[in-house]
Amino acid sequence: DAKTTQPPSMDCAEGRAANLPCNHSTISGNEYVYWYRQIHSQGPQYIIHGLKNNETNEMASLIITEDRKSSTLILPHATLRDTAVYYCSCGGRSGAGSYQLTFGKGTKLSVIP
Amino acid sequence: GAGVSQSPSNKVTEKGKDVELRCDPISGHTALYWYRQSLGQGLEFLIYFQGNSAPDKSGLPSDRFSAERTGGSVSTLTIQRTQQEDSAVYLCASSLDGLGGYTFGSGTRLTVV
Repeated sequence: DAKTTQPPSMDCAEGRAANLPCNHSTISGNEYVYWYRQIHSQGPQYIIHGLKNNETNEMASLIITEDRKSSTLILPHATLRDTAVYYCSCGGRSGAGSYQLTFGKGTKLSVIP
Repeated sequence: GAGVSQSPSNKVTEKGKDVELRCDPISGHTALYWYRQSLGQGLEFLIYFQGNSAPDKSGLPSDRFSAERTGGSVSTLTIQRTQQEDSAVYLCASSLDGLGGYTFGSGTRLTVV
């Protein structure tokens, strides 16, 4: 699995867009980029994923660079409830056949009133 | 069920004792994962079950750890002769298709004293 690098923390003003970057320069051609978030004391929550095209759903948008070596998760109008640790992960089949996601330490996003 | 259910939510055990952690995945989800999250760390993959295939045990840290999945549904993670370094939150996730859009449970917080 490709290793991901994220800033340890970010602040965002409430109501503004939160742009969370992730580097995954060793991503292979068949690996997807996944984003999850984890609110304190809860399990991680799936947000969005993509291969090479930009994706949007009701929670967020995902922008993947053309070379696929980095991506940005965009929360268009951050609210206080978006305060969480955000994990970027690249997923692919392991040698044993399982589809594994490797999670780093993520970015702690603090939404400020 | 509506989500992934894990029990117990908290477990305190004495060093050297065995513990069993239970996971009820979402009905119909064929893939089931166990991850471990130590304090302030990312998620560490432990084991993966997919249908009737042999599990991918490549993430289990030692032979004190084992897991089974009965009837393609409920899974139990067993830790024998617990050590203090086993203290962590143990997270279970399930997936409909074995790909990366997991649904996580809230985890079991294990404390070994």
